[in-house]
Amino acid sequence: DAKTTQPTSMDCAEGRAANLPCNHSTISGNEYVYWYRQIHSQGPQYIIHGLKNNETNEMASLIITEDRKSSTLILPHATLRDTAVYYCIVSRSQGNLIFGKGTKLSVKP
Amino acid sequence: DAGVIQSPRHEVTEMGQEVTLRCKPISGHNSLFWYRQTMMRGLELLIYFNNNVPIDDSGMPEDRFSAKMPNASFSTLKIQPSEPRDSAVYFCASSLAGLGEKLFFGSGTQLSVL
Repeated sequence: DAKTTQPTSMDCAEGRAANLPCNHSTISGNEYVYWYRQIHSQGPQYIIHGLKNNETNEMASLIITEDRKSSTLILPHATLRDTAVYYCIVSRSQGNLIFGKGTKLSVKP
Repeated sequence: DAGVIQSPRHEVTEMGQEVTLRCKPISGHNSLFWYRQTMMRGLELLIYFNNNVPIDDSGMPEDRFSAKMPNASFSTLKIQPSEPRDSAVYFCASSLAGLGEKLFFGSGTQLSVL
């Protein structure tokens, strides 16, 4: 499975949009982009995933570039409860998700 | 739905003792995963089952670790004998297998081996 690169940490003001980038330049045509987050001391939580098209659900939006070499997770109105580690994972299926170090997002009042 | 249920939430044991972690997946899910998380190594996939059959156990660290899934609603991860370096948070997750299906994680078991 392709490797991903994410910033170690990011800050975001409460109420503003949080844009979390992810590079996956070696992604293959049949690999999905998955996003999970882990709030302190809890199990990881699924956020969203996509293959080629942009995706949106009740939690977030996922923007994937046309060449699929990078993506951005958007939390439209960040709240303090969105403070967590966000993982971007590239895989053909969820049968073998390899979690990297992720991005620690701190939402500040 | 109660979600993925793991027990115990916390386990403290002494080196050399047997430890058994338990997991009840979400009803109807047919894939089950065991992960381990430490500060040093992050989240690691240990083993996963599909329809109660182990599919990939390449992440199991050594023979001291074993996992079973006797039926669709129960799985165990056993460490025998336990060592201090096994101290970690162990997560169980389940999903409805199929391309792109999301994983639901339990709250984890915090294991401390003294």
